[in-house]
Amino acid sequence: DTEVTQTPKHLVMGMTNKKSLKCEQHMGHRAMYWYKQKAKKPPELMFVYSYEKLSINESVPSRFSPECPNSSLLNLHLHALQPEDSALYLCASSQVKGPRGFVNTGELFFGEGSRLTVL
Amino acid sequence: GENVEQHPSTLSVQEGDSAVIKCTYSDSASNYFPWYKQELGKRPQLIIDIRSNVGEKKDQRIAVTLNKTAKHFSLHITETQPEDSAVYFCAAMKAAGNKLTFGGGTRVLVKP
Repeated sequence: DTEVTQTPKHLVMGMTNKKSLKCEQHMGHRAMYWYKQKAKKPPELMFVYSYEKLSINESVPSRFSPECPNSSLLNLHLHALQPEDSALYLCASSQVKGPRGFVNTGELFFGEGSRLTVL
Repeated sequence: GENVEQHPSTLSVQEGDSAVIKCTYSDSASNYFPWYKQELGKRPQLIIDIRSNVGEKKDQRIAVTLNKTAKHFSLHITETQPEDSAVYFCAAMKAAGNKLTFGGGTRVLVKP
């Protein structure tokens, strides 16, 4: 299984809603990532988890709250978003090594993404 | 932090011709350089990657070259086909830290 599965595929929410994006992989990868991609732009890194611990937060606003409940799952909790947060949210995973999982050993596998629209 | 510049931003080629995309990176500690292809509405998919201990890598019609001294790497696609039309992203990652930084992307159009 070389798939990263993201749900939902599409999400429309109001600025006062609370919703979550989910990501799952069963490749045994111990690094998981959230990227945000606006139209015609490259993916921008938001968060990285290594061995279920948050290792990188790219100064993302607190209205985005990541969670890694176990080695296969990654969530992104959304609250009080703004219309400019509308984008494709991509989850990825990769194999890592080292005591804190900071050394990447292979490619990043991306999920199909969750397309978020904030009204 | 790492900065990856990618050129050109758009590239139109005739079917059967070659396409070349160039990237430069700023952090000499970067040692992993993947290339991703993203079709409209789809996920980025790895097409080829290279590590800093290798100068060139080839996979069928796709090749990547790396010049560590100059801090640039290039993607070469030969005998282009309409299905090669997509956005291509180069990226760079350091040995430690798991942070993959993307270039701005190149929109490639292969005209039949």
